[in-house]
Amino acid sequence: QLQLQESGPGLVKPSETLSLTCTVSGGSISTSNYYWGWVRQPPGKGLEWIGSIHNSGSTYFIPSLNSRLTISLDTSKNQFSLKLTSVTAADTALYYCARHFGLLQFVSWFDPWGQGTLVTVSS
Amino acid sequence: SSELTQDPAVSVALGQTVRITCQGDSLRSYFASWYQQKPGQAPRLVLYGKNNRPSGIPDRLSGSSSGNTSSLTITGAQAEDEADYYCSSRDRSGNLPSYVFGTGTKVTVL
Repeated sequence: QLQLQESGPGLVKPSETLSLTCTVSGGSISTSNYYWGWVRQPPGKGLEWIGSIHNSGSTYFIPSLNSRLTISLDTSKNQFSLKLTSVTAADTALYYCARHFGLLQFVSWFDPWGQGTLVTVSS
Repeated sequence: SSELTQDPAVSVALGQTVRITCQGDSLRSYFASWYQQKPGQAPRLVLYGKNNRPSGIPDRLSGSSSGNTSSLTITGAQAEDEADYYCSSRDRSGNLPSYVFGTGTKVTVL
């Protein structure tokens, strides 16, 4: 059974870089035709897709974060990572990683999800 | 990119039927997926595509769509169905693929 687990600092200072890693177990991140994505949820608010990466390395991001966001794969460790630069309080959220099916298809979905990790941006 | 709009909250009596709707331009081109989120938990996929349920999701949850609206119907609501529900779909930002979530609906089972 595929499982995902987020890890990274829970507190980041404003203007610094938020770095998170998602470790995948129970399956290979190199399996064909899957994307691997990040979704965040500010406290008490709804879900927001951040970006996804294909096992070929192709990445797609939400336009509002495009200039600050990097998503990468490490197939040797079966992990994928997120880096968000120049963070502000608005980036405070629960960050989830998930396997992303069909980003380029007529139907697309996330399953399964990691448990999420809370990142607070504060000095 | 477009938005997906949901009613903020609905309530349903135990054993009755409730429909949650999701409206947005992206739904004219792409199928919706639906997620259930209970307090303190990660979202869980409950429906995707035309009307597909992942393993373990009860068949009292069903989906439908028409035009720019997709719906999730709970037939014979149970106490464990009380949760937040989010629709989502593929989207497009300029010429690049994108993805969007709905605003979320809180379902209360009375």
